[in-house]
Amino acid sequence: DAGITQSPRHKVTETGTPVTLRCHQTENHRYMYWYRQDPGHGLRLIHYSYGVKDTDKGEVSDGYSVSRSKTEDFLLTLESATSSQTSVYFCAIRAPGTTREQFFGPGTRLTVL
Amino acid sequence: GESVGLHLPTLSVQEGDNSIINCAYSNSASDYFIWYKQESGKGPQFIIDIRSNMDKRQGQRVTVLLNKTVKHLSLQIAATQPGDSAVYFCAENMGGSEKLVFGKGTKLTVNP
Repeated sequence: DAGITQSPRHKVTETGTPVTLRCHQTENHRYMYWYRQDPGHGLRLIHYSYGVKDTDKGEVSDGYSVSRSKTEDFLLTLESATSSQTSVYFCAIRAPGTTREQFFGPGTRLTVL
Repeated sequence: GESVGLHLPTLSVQEGDNSIINCAYSNSASDYFIWYKQESGKGPQFIIDIRSNMDKRQGQRVTVLLNKTVKHLSLQIAATQPGDSAVYFCAENMGGSEKLVFGKGTKLTVNP
């Protein structure tokens, strides 16, 4: 998984609780991404980062925030989890330059009851 | 493993046959395309990519064809093996954008 780890791998939580998912990379890549994957929707971009403290929204960013205080870590936070945020969350990284391929982590399965 | 799609298009082939997986993309301004393979319980794995200035690109046992006129992409897998069983996604990107837009995927099953 290209030097990417995600934690936790599985989490069950209750509606209204805050949740933070962590993505850690050992590749020192500048670009990092958070996606969610749902049946019938494929993978959809939530937020991405193009450097420490530099982030931007994707297509499904409502209800999510991110932070990147170090090159190697990209955190995704659900301030108040809802059942619609039950999903599998994937982190991805990309090397800078002309390449555009993204490499994905193993995923976190989040269930919001 | 995780369920990646309850109503995915499916393709079932016999071991040793060639497989062709198709994808229609949406943005005529997209100039970069990727195919990913996703096995149950794992993250998507890069297979091959192609830029819009090419019509065809070959890798090891895989070939990607791009038809910009009809906004169509295909992935051909030669001599399909049981280990090729997975969900395959195409993704498109427009230059200057960080956003990869994914298709909904095709489930390939290889029968021994």
